[in-house]
Amino acid sequence: GENVEQHPSTLSVQEGDSAVIKCTYSDSASNYFPWYKQELGKGPQLIIDIRSNVGEKKDQRIAVTLNKTAKHFSLHITETQPEDSAVYFCAASNRNAGKSTFGDGTTLTVKP
Amino acid sequence: GAVVSQHPSWVICKSGTSVKIECRSLDFQATTMFWYRQFPKQSLMLMATSNEGSKATYEQGVEKDKFLINHASLTLSTLTVTSAHPEDSSFYICSARVQERINEQYFGPGTRLTVT
Repeated sequence: GENVEQHPSTLSVQEGDSAVIKCTYSDSASNYFPWYKQELGKGPQLIIDIRSNVGEKKDQRIAVTLNKTAKHFSLHITETQPEDSAVYFCAASNRNAGKSTFGDGTTLTVKP
Repeated sequence: GAVVSQHPSWVICKSGTSVKIECRSLDFQATTMFWYRQFPKQSLMLMATSNEGSKATYEQGVEKDKFLINHASLTLSTLTVTSAHPEDSSFYICSARVQERINEQYFGPGTRLTVT
């Protein structure tokens, strides 16, 4: 089955700096890669996703890049703000698997 | 769009009792819903996949007789924790898959279960 590895497990940045979280996956059949933000005591919230036919996607301060050959994808947050502090999860799935495989999460702390 | 609700948001129950958690897709139809369990500072652990009108598919190691899942309609799935024990205390989260966009999942806000 699919295996997703996420790094780093914790990340601390200064407000205004950029943050990058990386994930690798093992199943070449995976074709959908979402990123979720989870605040304390809440459910994960989809913040951005990318499909395998696209190499990069951007939404304001967040962007995701995908390298299918290397089987890795990354989340980029620019101009970080304290409210970006949360746990971020990456995931990978394909139509046939029927379910997503999640990374272990990255705790992002943005210091004011 | 793509809003998922859960009820209750938190519940405290005594050992031996049963607790039902509801998961609803509010503005879309969800043929598939997923139930996760999350321990503090850990990732999401998939418990089961629930398909409307059919039996749920449980992940290895999850007791189907203890965690009863019913997906009676395209907008509602329920998880019943039967004969709850303190070790069942956890954060339970459901997600729903958008019928027309097969990969996309939207999560509910979670239910904090405490068994005393």
